[in-house]
Amino acid sequence: SAVISQKPSRDICQRGTSLTIQCQVDSQVTMMFWYRQQPGQSLTLIATANQGSEATYESGFVIDKFPISRPNLTFSTLTVSNMSPEDSSIYLCSVFGGGKETQYFGPGTRLLVL
Amino acid sequence: SQQGEEDPQALSIQEGENATMNCSYKTSINNLQWYRQNSGRGLVHLILIRSNEREKHSGRLRVTLDTSKKSSSLLITASRAADTASYFCAVSGGSNYKLTFGKGTLLTVNP
Repeated sequence: SAVISQKPSRDICQRGTSLTIQCQVDSQVTMMFWYRQQPGQSLTLIATANQGSEATYESGFVIDKFPISRPNLTFSTLTVSNMSPEDSSIYLCSVFGGGKETQYFGPGTRLLVL
Repeated sequence: SQQGEEDPQALSIQEGENATMNCSYKTSINNLQWYRQNSGRGLVHLILIRSNEREKHSGRLRVTLDTSKKSSSLLITASRAADTASYFCAVSGGSNYKLTFGKGTLLTVNP
């Protein structure tokens, strides 16, 4: 399994500001995924980040709001831009294990926007 | 969509009892995975069952998959207070490797 860390683990932000979340993996992976979990809800995929190409966004998510970087095979960032209270969620990154089947998740970043 | 749907939404049992959670989905899948989440933290992967498998075991966990009914069940035997968590099923299908999650079951195991 992959070991994934995220920074920050939690943050409280003011509306209108931006927050960049980091995801670090202990091994090289081709695909990284970013999910959002709104309070009391399930997980929704935001985008898939492949190294060396633009991230692929799911319906309802746009690059201007959630820009993603993937500078190498072990690291990615997700920025939540121009935040509003509706962005208050847990943001999680995930990667595949050895094969493209099991997905392992980071500990999440709990974001509260006031 | 392929979204998994768990039931029940919430389940409360006593320590030592068995807990069964169900998951249904809508389209063909490659595999189905079960995850546990404690108090809004990260997800812990529990078990993966492929579309050509019918049953898998891992410790106190037993997962079944019925592709004809597009449903799966997760059985936790001899539950413990530490099993208290939210449990999610997630399905993967097609060639894009995406996971689509169900809404989850909140399991409370009372000591």
